[in-house]
Amino acid sequence: DTGVSQNPRHKITKRGQNVTFRCDPISEHNRLYWYRQTLGQGPEFLTYFQNEAQLEKSRLLSDRFSAERPKGSFSTLEIQRTEQGDSAMYLCASSLARGQGSYEQYFGPGTRLTVT
Amino acid sequence: AQSVTQPDIHITVSEGASLELRCNYSYGATPYLFWYVQSPGQGLQLLLKYFSGDTLVQGIKGFEAEFKRSQSSFNLRKPSVHWSDAAEYFCAVGPSMNRDDKIIFGKGTRLHILP
Repeated sequence: DTGVSQNPRHKITKRGQNVTFRCDPISEHNRLYWYRQTLGQGPEFLTYFQNEAQLEKSRLLSDRFSAERPKGSFSTLEIQRTEQGDSAMYLCASSLARGQGSYEQYFGPGTRLTVT
Repeated sequence: AQSVTQPDIHITVSEGASLELRCNYSYGATPYLFWYVQSPGQGLQLLLKYFSGDTLVQGIKGFEAEFKRSQSSFNLRKPSVHWSDAAEYFCAVGPSMNRDDKIIFGKGTRLHILP
């Protein structure tokens, strides 16, 4: 399977705990994006990487959130001291960018986080 | 600011009937436009995209969309829906001349199909 994969698919955690999600992009894709989707809403951009460089972070990404893509391949998204408001679907996408402009983004199945 | 408006939260059509999902965008220049579909518990699948050229674009699963600059619209159409088309549909916009290519999504339209 050459699509975008995300693990875990579901995560239930207690408020205050830390969680980490992993995204494996399509292998030749140099850009990787994280989005958050809450119930009844469209996905909202969180951050994106070109290779290992984090190029932009949304103001939605509070200090409790951190994302890494250490070798320009897979990425992790960590949420520290989770709050109930963090409950959402976290989507990862990847694309192959060769210059300026938007490129088709391929999405993974998402990780659904429930904070109790 | 860039934005996408999908005015219909829910749409119900009978199987075999035609479908049109509305999308309006706000952007300073010609954007890149997308329609994605999301089935329950699934990620987003790209149905079609508009970057430039012919304003009527064909996508997968028999969908098409028409870009109308004068109306800032990018409505999605299908001549005859199937029960398997029941899902949530998202219109999205991306910048056309910027190294920052994050996509901005609308809030989605949930499509229900009557047998």
